[in-house]
Amino acid sequence: QKEVEQNSGPLSVPEGAIASLNCTYSDRGSQSFFWYRQYSGKSPELIMSIYSNGDKEDGRFTAQLNKASQYVSLLIRDSQPSDSATYLCADPYGRSSGSARQLTFGSGTQLTVLP
Amino acid sequence: KAGVTQTPRYLIKTRGQQVTLSCSPISGHRSVSWYQQTPGQGLQFLFEYFSETQRNKGNFPGRFSGRQFSNSRSEMNVSTLELGDSALYLCASSWSSGQGSYEQYFGPGTRLTVT
Repeated sequence: QKEVEQNSGPLSVPEGAIASLNCTYSDRGSQSFFWYRQYSGKSPELIMSIYSNGDKEDGRFTAQLNKASQYVSLLIRDSQPSDSATYLCADPYGRSSGSARQLTFGSGTQLTVLP
Repeated sequence: KAGVTQTPRYLIKTRGQQVTLSCSPISGHRSVSWYQQTPGQGLQFLFEYFSETQRNKGNFPGRFSGRQFSNSRSEMNVSTLELGDSALYLCASSWSSGQGSYEQYFGPGTRLTVT
């Protein structure tokens, strides 16, 4: 049974700081990861996807994937109060059928950015 | 482009009843997945449909079933409802047509309460 472990937090950072969110995973076959943001009472929103080893930057967000260490992270630079939400990492590596995909989620990290 | 839509948004049922939830994917997306989100278990995969075929199924009892229509719209059904079925049910769509990992986009969810 593959697992995705995520620091459950909660994590608080001051406005303007860098927030660091981390996940580790156990399935060496995992090739890519997604990061979702979920505001309270809302559904998850895809904010980053990373398909190869290394870093991927998009605006204030940087996703990092280290397949050797089986580690994925999300950095949020210049954090804003509007970034306060639960962040979920998800492994889309399909099991059983090679053409099927299912997301395996971490437990989520609740981030609060303090004004 | 319109996003994923789910109906109804809220539902209250009593134990023993059955319920049907509906999902319309993003136009052009042919893969529809269903997830259950609860505070205790987090986000868990139910099943995925592609071209009217169930390609993968999560670890849920047979009371949970689904189907997909030729227009990619999907329904899930839960029979003989139990109190523990109270959850947010999320539908996600993807344009997945074969191998590889494709981003999944979530609808707003259906909040089911079983009393």
